[in-house]
Amino acid sequence: GAGVSQSPRYKVAKRGQDVALRCDPISGHVSLFWYQQALGQGPEFLTYFQNEAQLDKSGLPSDRFFAERPEGSVSTLKIQRTQKEDSAVYLCASSYYGTGRDEQFFGPGTRLTVL
Amino acid sequence: LAKTTQPISMDSYEGQEVNITCSHNNIATNDYITWYQQFPSQGPRFIIQGYKTKVTNEVASLFIPADRKSSTLSLPRVSLSDTAVYYCLVGDTLNTGGFKTIFGAGTRLFVKA
Repeated sequence: GAGVSQSPRYKVAKRGQDVALRCDPISGHVSLFWYQQALGQGPEFLTYFQNEAQLDKSGLPSDRFFAERPEGSVSTLKIQRTQKEDSAVYLCASSYYGTGRDEQFFGPGTRLTVL
Repeated sequence: LAKTTQPISMDSYEGQEVNITCSHNNIATNDYITWYQQFPSQGPRFIIQGYKTKVTNEVASLFIPADRKSSTLSLPRVSLSDTAVYYCLVGDTLNTGGFKTIFGAGTRLFVKA
């Protein structure tokens, strides 16, 4: 079966451009997470969805970041007016339930470079 | 929120057993302890999870003392392919049913021939 996929794998944007990053979770997984990983650092939680409901967005660094999962499957992370400090790898993960004891399956990430 | 502290890096040789200890002094009663492995240019991958005492699977063991304020990931007989970053994390289950995961900086394990 297919794992979590993300697209594009690489994205270069000029400062001020808007970008959209896509995540296709494992079919049937209830929970979906977005993380931001800077070079040499661990993943930083951004937001969490349970089906189509965004239950936690406390990790989004600013109101330029927006995530959605309208039908409870595919999710999109949108970054408006990108800044250089947004350069990072954006990871998506899904899990069957999303409780504290549920394994998360990660995608390969999207590497965003803002020039 | 429960935070974790791990050594920044460790070196080992092929065939040796490696133990990586993680501190999580503020762990909550309902929290589980999970370890992930990450190779360059890949997303993290689940290794093992436990709540208390000892858990063993085909790749690792996890030791958790009674007070649960720390845990130790044990990798038996490491090989070069075990060179990776290892993250210890503690789950924080929200009242709304969500799960906010907190990764630390991880431990960079370098296995030498």
